[in-house]
Amino acid sequence: ILNVEQSPQSLHVQEGDSTNFTCSFPSSNFYALHWYRWETAKSPEALFVMTLNGDEKKKGRISATLNTKEGYSYLYIKGSQPEDSATYLCAFLYNFNKFYFGSGTKLNVKP
Amino acid sequence: GAVVSQHPSWVICKSGTSVKIECRSLDFQATTMFWYRQFPKQSLMLMATSNEGSKATYEQGVEKDKFLINHASLTLSTLTVTSAHPEDSSFYICSAREGLAGDDTQYFGPGTRLTVL
Repeated sequence: ILNVEQSPQSLHVQEGDSTNFTCSFPSSNFYALHWYRWETAKSPEALFVMTLNGDEKKKGRISATLNTKEGYSYLYIKGSQPEDSATYLCAFLYNFNKFYFGSGTKLNVKP
Repeated sequence: GAVVSQHPSWVICKSGTSVKIECRSLDFQATTMFWYRQFPKQSLMLMATSNEGSKATYEQGVEKDKFLINHASLTLSTLTVTSAHPEDSSFYICSAREGLAGDDTQYFGPGTRLTVL
């Protein structure tokens, strides 16, 4: 079993704050890194799929970076809004079809 | 966007009974479907990977005779928990992928909360 770690486990921020989380994964046998957003009682929703070292992806106020050589990815949220409250999961794709998930970062944005 | 349904969303059963969970890709054909289990405060743990028309590949420590997976078509996979016991109580969630490239996203169902009394 490969170790994928996310930090922090939980985060409480005020509306308007910017925040970031970390996903650490093995630096060998890298295939892809996926980020998901999971709201309570809903299906996890794919945010980003990152495959190349140095990748930077952006969707609205959310962006992500990838460093495969050192084995980490950052997810940034600029100007957090209450609707950003969710658990953010990263998943390391070890080979073409096997995902290892971190335990997630639970974000709570207070109005 | 791609939608995956999962039924039932929750189930309570008596110890010793079997429970079937269905996972369907509604608007795409899934090359692969995955079954995960999540215990409280833990990560999603991959149980098995299934491809249409072939036997599922189970992860180490997952009993294939207890967790029966049938991938009958490119849009339907079922997980049957046979002779369920209280320790099988967990959150089960499926996902589906259309392709096998690194950037092919997996789309998740909403999950099933199983409680075994």
